[in-house]
Amino acid sequence: QVQLQESGPGLVKPSGTLSLTCAVSGGSISSNNWWSWVRQPPGKGLEWIGEIFQTGTTNYNPSIKSRATILVDKSKNQFSLKLNSVTAADTAVYYCATTPCSTSSCETSAYWGQGTLVTVSS
Amino acid sequence: QSALTQPASVSGSPGQSITISCTGTSNDVGSYNLVSWYQQPPGKAPKLMIYEVTKRPAGVSNRFSGSKSGNTASLTISGLQAEDEADYYCCSYVGTSTSYVFGTGTKVTVL
Repeated sequence: QVQLQESGPGLVKPSGTLSLTCAVSGGSISSNNWWSWVRQPPGKGLEWIGEIFQTGTTNYNPSIKSRATILVDKSKNQFSLKLNSVTAADTAVYYCATTPCSTSSCETSAYWGQGTLVTVSS
Repeated sequence: QSALTQPASVSGSPGQSITISCTGTSNDVGSYNLVSWYQQPPGKAPKLMIYEVTKRPAGVSNRFSGSKSGNTASLTISGLQAEDEADYYCCSYVGTSTSYVFGTGTKVTVL
């Protein structure tokens, strides 16, 4: 079973860049999976950020697309999120997740990391 | 894109059945059978309960079932148990932007 673990700074300054990594274990980043990021501001609901396939194909939430970049690193079996020009509104628990796909079906976000809190503050 | 609309809270007694609705538009829920449901206990990561409207992942109780009619998807929990207390979120594919959107979330309380 795939396991995911987020890592990165817990504090980012306003106007700076948020950088997170999701390490994949128990499976290959090159498998037939979509790899995604979801965030949850304190006390609020879930927000889908974007996803990437091992080929490099990406899809993003239109409201965040201009600031977000998701990349895959096959050599380290991990994927990453960069979000630039952050403000206090980007303070949230950030989750990485994966969607395994068969020839006929995809289990959307079947596996999740435990999440990591990122606070945007000076 | 706007979040899908869910009731803020739903409650029921042990053993009863409850249904959570998730209303979208013809750009998302209404046009694609790509609706999923997640259970999130306080302070924990979400857990997939239903995908592609009606399918259950391995290990998820058959007390959980999903359906869809028009622009509204639904999650039904039958034989409600204390362990079902959690927040529940729906999620749908959005064809116009090749992205996904979550619902506003529903807090389920077992009385």
